[in-house]
Amino acid sequence: DIQMTQSPSSLSVSVGDRVTITCRASQGITNDLGWYQQKPGKAPKRLIYAASSLQSGVPSRFSGSGSGTEFTLTISSLQPGDFATYYCLQYNTYPITFGQGTRLEIK
Amino acid sequence: QVQLQESGPGLVKPSQTLSLTCTVSGGSLSSLPYFWSWIRQHPERGLEWIGYIYNSGSTYYSPSLKSRLTMSLDSSKNQISLELTSMTAADTAVYYCVSQSWSGSGSYSPLDWGPGTLVTVSS
Repeated sequence: DIQMTQSPSSLSVSVGDRVTITCRASQGITNDLGWYQQKPGKAPKRLIYAASSLQSGVPSRFSGSGSGTEFTLTISSLQPGDFATYYCLQYNTYPITFGQGTRLEIK
Repeated sequence: QVQLQESGPGLVKPSQTLSLTCTVSGGSLSSLPYFWSWIRQHPERGLEWIGYIYNSGSTYYSPSLKSRLTMSLDSSKNQISLELTSMTAADTAVYYCVSQSWSGSGSYSPLDWGPGTLVTVSS
């Protein structure tokens, strides 16, 4: 299985902050990577697919970059509704595998 | 986008078989070009992909669950089903029904998720 290493596991941040989350794959996955936001008691919601394509309806403050083994999710200016847990996942090779998640907490 | 709704027992006894159903609305299972997947989220161990079924009936299961898992679809009811045998406490999780759509790179990315259903394995 491809291992996805996500960092950091948690981040204490404030509204307006720029946030960067990183995901590293144990082997190359081209750009077959997605970023998901999950709020407590809810299902994950896709933000980014194909490493850098913004899902329809998702605010433009979310962006993704990377290819191969290194990927980044950036939130340019954190809003109150963005406090959640974020996951990366790779869908290049089955089984699909996930990062461990990054929890954004209010500073 | 489609809407997905899981249903099934919230409590299963150890060694029993779990049966879950996912009802799809907003499109026909037989015509939508999606992979239909199950993903579970363990309370402490994160997210785990279980397997997918395509509208042709072809399947791919996670190797770690393959020996216990069967997925099927019923186009007349627009439903996907999962059966997982020999349940143990390690199978306690929230189970999600998920559609995977073409992402433009030759691969299928998870897109729409049902709200999930909590399954607890306990005697």
